[in-house]
Amino acid sequence: KQEVTQIPAALSVPEGENLVLNCSFTDSAIYNLQWFRQDPGKGLTSLLLIQSSQREQTSGRLNASLDKSSGRSTLYIAASQPGDSATYLCAVDTGANSKLTFGKGITLSVRP
Amino acid sequence: NAGVMQNPRHLVRRRGQEARLRCSPMKGHSHVYWYRQLPEEGLKFMVYLQKENIIDESGMPKERFSAEFPKEGPSILRIQQVVRGDSAAYFCASSTTSGYNEQFFGPGTRLTVL
Repeated sequence: KQEVTQIPAALSVPEGENLVLNCSFTDSAIYNLQWFRQDPGKGLTSLLLIQSSQREQTSGRLNASLDKSSGRSTLYIAASQPGDSATYLCAVDTGANSKLTFGKGITLSVRP
Repeated sequence: NAGVMQNPRHLVRRRGQEARLRCSPMKGHSHVYWYRQLPEEGLKFMVYLQKENIIDESGMPKERFSAEFPKEGPSILRIQQVVRGDSAAYFCASSTTSGYNEQFFGPGTRLTVL
């Protein structure tokens, strides 16, 4: 059974800091991994999708990497801003009818 | 191209009533997924549907919950005889095909059971 872990549950950093959010999963047989952002009381916004054959994806100040063999992914946020404050969720698709397995998320607070 | 649409955004029901949650996938998407986010918990898969077919309902509670995706119209998640433990945010996602493809999420329906 796939399990996804995101530690720590919460993180507070000063504005401008570069930061790394971690995600680990127990079963390396995945099709892809997605990072999402969720603002309080809102839906999920897809940030990056990494296919199983890829090592990383970049979008603006965000870079996500994937190491399938070790069951790990990281989301790198460069030059953090207060507007980046949100909960960041990691989810893996193991291909069994494409149902995503989510971590509990990391709640990020960027202090001005 | 409008995103995934869900309605209502907020729904309040008393114990024992029925709740109907609607999801319209993105244009061109024929695969719909429902997830539930309970307070202080992560999102959990409930059911995966294609037009007129339930493909995987392994995450659905065995009783009171049902889902459909008719040939015409939105996907419906139906909860009969709601209880307080059903209070949660219910999210719908859609994709063009299964596997290898990004799932796009709607804004969710927040169900409160009094």
